[in-house]
Formats: sequence, C-alpha cells, structure tokens
Amino acid sequence: DIQMTQSPAALSASLGDRVTITCRASQNINSWLAWYQQKPGKAPKLLIYKASSLLSGLPRRFSGSGSGAEFTLTISSLQPEDIATYFCQEYETYSLTFGQGTKLEI
Amino acid sequence: QVLLQESGPGLVKPSETLSLTCTVSTASNRTDYWSWIRQSPAKGLEFIGYIYHGGVANYNPSLKGRFTLTVDTTTNQCSLKVRSVTAADTAVYYCARQFVALGPIHFWGQGILVTVSS
Repeated sequence: DIQMTQSPAALSASLGDRVTITCRASQNINSWLAWYQQKPGKAPKLLIYKASSLLSGLPRRFSGSGSGAEFTLTISSLQPEDIATYFCQEYETYSLTFGQGTKLEI
Repeated sequence: QVLLQESGPGLVKPSETLSLTCTVSTASNRTDYWSWIRQSPAKGLEFIGYIYHGGVANYNPSLKGRFTLTVDTTTNQCSLKVRSVTAADTAVYYCARQFVALGPIHFWGQGILVTVSS
C-alpha cells in the first residue's frame, strides 16, 4: 500500500509568514497529487491538483510544487483565514491515499 | 457548484449494516463519479470508493470487502452500505464527486457523523 507522510504534523506561524508543508509518497506518484484545506467542522476543500495547479478563484498565495515522491504546499503570506488543517492526497493509485494532515496554527 | 447532502442514521449497532444516501441538489454532470470518503481520529481521511453513473464501482483495495456502492440516476442519489460494522467504522462519512476515476475530489458534502455503538 502506498503511504503519504506529511510534515510537520503541526505548525505554528505568524500572520504574514511564509509557510511550507511537505508531503512524501512511499512510491513515485508522478504529479498526481492534490492538496486540501479543512476547517473545523467542515469538509475538506480542494486547493491544488496535479501537484501545482491552483483551483480557479483561489488566492494566489497558495502554491504547490514537486513531482515523483516529494511535494510541498506553500502559503506565501499567512492570512487569518488560512488557519486550518491541510491534507495531501495521491491519485496515482485506486487507494487515493491521504496524508495524515498538518494543523496550522497562529 | 455541485451541492451534495448525506443522510442516514447517526447511530448503528455493532454487526449491523450501515446505510447512507447522498443526494445531489443541483444539476451535475452525468459523467462525474460519486465517491465516499470517511474521516476518523484513528485513521484520518480514508477513501472508500467511487461509482460511475453507469453503476460500475471501484473500492479502495486497502479496505476489506464490506462496502457496497449503488447509484440511482433517476433520483440523483448514491448509496453506501457497510456490512458488519464495528466501532472502527465510527467516522464522519462524506459523499463527494470527482471528474475522473483517478482524480482529485472537487466537491464534498458536509459529512454525516456515524457512531457504531450498542
């Protein structure tokens, strides 16, 4: 089974900071990776697909990069509304495995 | 924007079958895939499977075969059944839609908490 490992599990940052979250796959997933944002009590929301494609209409402070087995999500300047848990998900395999999440706090 | 709504019991007894229904409340593309994902503190987000509007389903190969997906295109509903539930099946269950079988999940329902307990 493919494993998706995110780091860190939790991250404390200040408003305006540049924040980077890493997601590592246990095998090559090419660029078949998505990032989601989840706020408490809400469903996850798709932010980025195919590793670096930002969903239309979303703030450009969010960006994704990487390919193969290592990926990053970057928030260029942290805003209060970005406080959430972030998940990566591979869609190279039919398991569509998620990472365990990174909780972003102020 | 596709709006999805899960419905079903919030409490199920161990060994019974959990049945959930997802209804699409806005016009959606018939070629989309209906998906189910669950989330629990123990296992995090776990993809259960998807079903195409023609009725062909695919399940997460990492899960044991207790899950069944069906779709009714006349009523725009998708159903999930989980047989022989245990406490480990306690989770928030999300209905979702994706555009392709191996693809990101674009639309999510609000989720429904299901607790397995006697």
